[in-house]
Amino acid sequence: DAKTTQPTSMDCAEGRAANLPCNHSTISGNEYVYWYRQIHSQGPQYIIHGLKNNETNEMASLIITEDRKSSTLILPHATLRDTAVYYCIVFSGTYKYIFGTGTRLKVLA
Amino acid sequence: EAGVTQFPSHSVIEKGQTVTLRCDPISGHDNLYWYRRVMGKEIKFLLHFVKESKQDESGMPNNRFLAERTGGTYSTLKVQPAELEDSGVYFCASSQSGAGYNEQFFGPGTRLTVL
Repeated sequence: DAKTTQPTSMDCAEGRAANLPCNHSTISGNEYVYWYRQIHSQGPQYIIHGLKNNETNEMASLIITEDRKSSTLILPHATLRDTAVYYCIVFSGTYKYIFGTGTRLKVLA
Repeated sequence: EAGVTQFPSHSVIEKGQTVTLRCDPISGHDNLYWYRRVMGKEIKFLLHFVKESKQDESGMPNNRFLAERTGGTYSTLKVQPAELEDSGVYFCASSQSGAGYNEQFFGPGTRLTVL
């Protein structure tokens, strides 16, 4: 079973920041938080990952709480093309991802 | 750099027939994975190769599924005989060798429909 809990769906206005939460209260010390998204029926696309420090790349920022029990993926300026299902995955390096149901983000014009 | 490719993109077969899906990973990636999503369910792990060796096939649903990776390059996933419940989207992913924390890159998937 997935070790994460995410809201089923969210809406965000185009141009605004999209903040997607994820709860992972049972995360272990050596487990990373990974974020992927799936646009339409394409393959999942890697976004970002982190262990305990906040991370930023050209796509998004990842904020992990100090106790590591939750995190937030931030898309700073959402566009219509960011409409997708976003998956938060707790990964221990055992090579297989365990996907949950994800959050369906709809960016509104 | 070419990404992970999968063939075919769609396949429609009759129950009882055989289908073979192919995955070409990113060049140089030793790790290759198969996942699938059946209708209304989450994406589920099927198995993991390191080069030509199966490291974990705990997600393979039954012995009607056979995965191979001869030569450690491309991989095939054969379903024989196909059943209705095998319908879904089959994804392949690959990652670099070394530490297990390398991100996995997914292909576009093969949509399999069993009638």
